[in-house]
Amino acid sequence: SAVISQKPSRDICQRGTSLTIQCQVDSQVTMMFWYRQQPGQSLTLIATANQGSEATYESGFVIDKFPISRPNLTFSTLTVSNMSPEDSSIYLCSVVQGNAAQPQHFGDGTRLSIL
Amino acid sequence: SQQGEEDPQALSIQEGENATMNCSYKTSINNLQWYRQNSGRGLVHLILIRSNEREKHSGRLRVTLDTSKKSSSLLITASRAADTASYFCATDDGGAQKLVFGQGTRLTINP
Repeated sequence: SAVISQKPSRDICQRGTSLTIQCQVDSQVTMMFWYRQQPGQSLTLIATANQGSEATYESGFVIDKFPISRPNLTFSTLTVSNMSPEDSSIYLCSVVQGNAAQPQHFGDGTRLSIL
Repeated sequence: SQQGEEDPQALSIQEGENATMNCSYKTSINNLQWYRQNSGRGLVHLILIRSNEREKHSGRLRVTLDTSKKSSSLLITASRAADTASYFCATDDGGAQKLVFGQGTRLTINP
């Protein structure tokens, strides 16, 4: 399976600032996704990162708050904007290689704490 | 989309015993996947089972799928302390590749 590198692995940020998380894959992938895992909770999909076009956001998530880029088939970024303590979560990118019948693999996640 | 449900929410057993976790979901699916997460880290993919499959094995893991009941189970045999983790099922949300996760089961293996 693809090797997924997510940076940073963790960060502590001040309220009102923004942080960009990077997801780099060692091979081309079909699909890339960004998920959020709030403390003690399960994962919730933020958006599908579309190569060369705007991301597709899930209900409850908006581009102004979570801008996403995917300039090519191996790289994507998620920015968490104007952060508040409620944004303290683990953010994970995932990828799919090939068709829909293939497993979805995850990076190690970014643990974000907002003070 | 609505998340599935897993039970139990927490399970504590002795090393060497078997652990069974159950997952229910709401929509039709093409496949269902099981993941392990150690202490707030990334998710490790365990098994993918397709909708036309009823059972799948991988080492000490056995997954079953009953599409008529919209349910799946994960059995870990001969458990080890290293199996202590949270386990999640995830479905493909009616055929889309994005995943819908269950609430997870926290498994603790006592030495």
